[in-house]
Amino acid sequence: GAGVSQTPSNKVTEKGKYVELRCDPISGHTALYWYRQSLGQGPEFLIYFQGTGAADDSGLPNDRFFAVRPEGSVSTLKIQRTERGDSAVYLCASSPRGGNEQFFGPGTRLTVL
Amino acid sequence: DQQVKQNSPSLSVQEGRISILNCDYTNSMFDYFLWYKKYPAEGPTFLISISSIKDKNEDGRFTVFLNKSAKHLSLHIVPSQPGDSAVYFCAASAMRGSTLGRLYFGRGTQLTVWP
Repeated sequence: GAGVSQTPSNKVTEKGKYVELRCDPISGHTALYWYRQSLGQGPEFLIYFQGTGAADDSGLPNDRFFAVRPEGSVSTLKIQRTERGDSAVYLCASSPRGGNEQFFGPGTRLTVL
Repeated sequence: DQQVKQNSPSLSVQEGRISILNCDYTNSMFDYFLWYKKYPAEGPTFLISISSIKDKNEDGRFTVFLNKSAKHLSLHIVPSQPGDSAVYFCAASAMRGSTLGRLYFGRGTQLTVWP
């Protein structure tokens, strides 16, 4: 079956612009996670949804970052007033109810010029 | 602060030999541990996991050992194959019941298996 998909695969934007990153989880997975990975680092947690609601958003670095999952499936990560330090690979993962692993998508590479 | 640490950024092993990747953690609330493998331009792929109620879990060529008192785990790959060359991430979670929440990742170890 289809895995987690993320679009776009690459996004280049200018400092101060707004971007949206999309994640399509594996069908039927109830949990969805966003991470970001900077060069030379491991993935860093941003936010986790159980169904439509954010179960844990403690990893969002500031109020420029926001994520939604309105129908409990697709999720969008939104970044306002982008800064050069936001440049990273943004990873999405999903997990079935009661699952003990997270399945990752290929990521979106965001470059802020 | 890094709650999961992989202190070796790289490891080079000959094909057929054992690869041992190490991971340390600081948070005693962690009770579930995972290893992921990552190729360039791809997302991490789950390899193997272990719950804190066990000290060993095996899956084919991959074995994970957990030493709770030392807050240390290791991944053994035997025998190593060139296709195992990738970045390996250790991750930990504090599971609440059966819900797998946020994962804390180490910085990864680049494994190179040479023929």
